[in-house]
Amino acid sequence: GAVVSQHPSWVICKSGTSVKIECRSLDFQATTMFWYRQFPKQSLMLMATSNEGSKATYEQGVEKDKFLINHASLTLSTLTVTSAHPEDSSFYICSARWQGAANSPLHFGNGTRLTVT
Amino acid sequence: DAKTTQPNSMESNEEEPVHLPCNHSTISGTDYIHWYRQLPSQGPEYVIHGLTSNVNNRMASLAIAEDRKSSTLILHRATLRDAAVYYCILRDAINNAGNMLTFGGGTRLMVKP
Repeated sequence: GAVVSQHPSWVICKSGTSVKIECRSLDFQATTMFWYRQFPKQSLMLMATSNEGSKATYEQGVEKDKFLINHASLTLSTLTVTSAHPEDSSFYICSARWQGAANSPLHFGNGTRLTVT
Repeated sequence: DAKTTQPNSMESNEEEPVHLPCNHSTISGTDYIHWYRQLPSQGPEYVIHGLTSNVNNRMASLAIAEDRKSSTLILHRATLRDAAVYYCILRDAINNAGNMLTFGGGTRLMVKP
């Protein structure tokens, strides 16, 4: 079945530093990838939609200059949390849709737990 | 996307069937009903989806009401590994640019041995 790999699975960084999270579709091409954030005991919140070869579309309230998204190929999207602060500590999850049928399921990575100290 | 309503939590005994309800009274004609589940500390995984007819796959069954205003995810024999948060999501395959999923609160299923 379709697999989405997310790396790293967890990361601890100091306040003010930047962290890059990678999301790869391993056995299919994904023209669109989605980045979600999940705080403890809460549901997933969509941050942005990443389209291959074009700028990402950010949800209201998500700072595009803080959460840099690059979708340079059909199998890789990256999310960089710049100048991270403790309030950015969260579970970040990417997902990808096979570029086939419009109603095809989304495939999710296993998430990256970011802790900013 | 139209909203869904699910119970916050449910309990089940191991090896018994589980029926997880979902209300979606404002569903539109082009909304598919999707179910995903999220195990602890993992990303969500796809379970099943349907439009009008009941659906079966190796993981579960989806029963859709005739008026489509509600649906039920059926796990035929719950195992401890089925303990997760189950999300019922409506997804407009025609008008949803990019086809992202909007997650609600979901139902936390607890399975007792």
